Amino acid sequence: AQTVTQSQPEMSVQEAETVTLSCTYDTSESDYYLFWYKQPPSRQMILVIRQEAYKQQNATENRFSVNFQKAAKSFSLKISDSQLGDAAMYFCAYRSFQGAQKLVFGQGTRLTINP
Amino acid sequence: NAGVTQTPKFQVLKTGQSMTLQCAQDMNHNSMYWYRQDPGMGLRLIYYSASEGTTDKGEVPNGYNVSRLNKREFSLRLESAAPSQTSVYFCASSEGGTGGNQPQHFGDGTRLSIL
Repeated sequence: AQTVTQSQPEMSVQEAETVTLSCTYDTSESDYYLFWYKQPPSRQMILVIRQEAYKQQNATENRFSVNFQKAAKSFSLKISDSQLGDAAMYFCAYRSFQGAQKLVFGQGTRLTINP
Repeated sequence: NAGVTQTPKFQVLKTGQSMTLQCAQDMNHNSMYWYRQDPGMGLRLIYYSASEGTTDKGEVPNGYNVSRLNKREFSLRLESAAPSQTSVYFCASSEGGTGGNQPQHFGDGTRLSIL
């Protein structure tokens, strides 16, 4: 079974600075997908960014980018120019390429933005 | 844009009571999922339905039953609620099928307390 580990329960960053959230995963599969979800205090689960394992190029979405290291099974999220609205819980998630599209989540990292 | 709608948003039950959490999606998605989120933990899969007419157990199915009523609706039932089932419950849906990087779309969650 796949597992996802987020080793940083909490992180904080100054507004306008850059922060990186870590995620590692364990799998024996070669094809899969990785996601970062954001959960603000409103409790909504909001997709931030996604990465296909077969793509070498790291995904980017505006101020959000990932560093995907397949051999190391690492999938970190970098947030540039941090904004107050970025404050939230961030969850890393894994999904197999085959079969049902169910997600395996990490424990989450609470990100605080200091003004 | 309703997306995924969960009812109710909050509920308090007494130990031993039964309850059904309702979930409906209007995106014509094939697959639906139920997760629970406990403090300090990521979301864990309870049950899922890869397509209409099928349901399968996830990581933490004990104490729950599900019904895929039709393509739109997927309900979660607690037959005899226990304090250990106090949690926030999320319903999600996705297009389904093998492959594809389509994300899951989540409802706003139901906060359930068992006294």
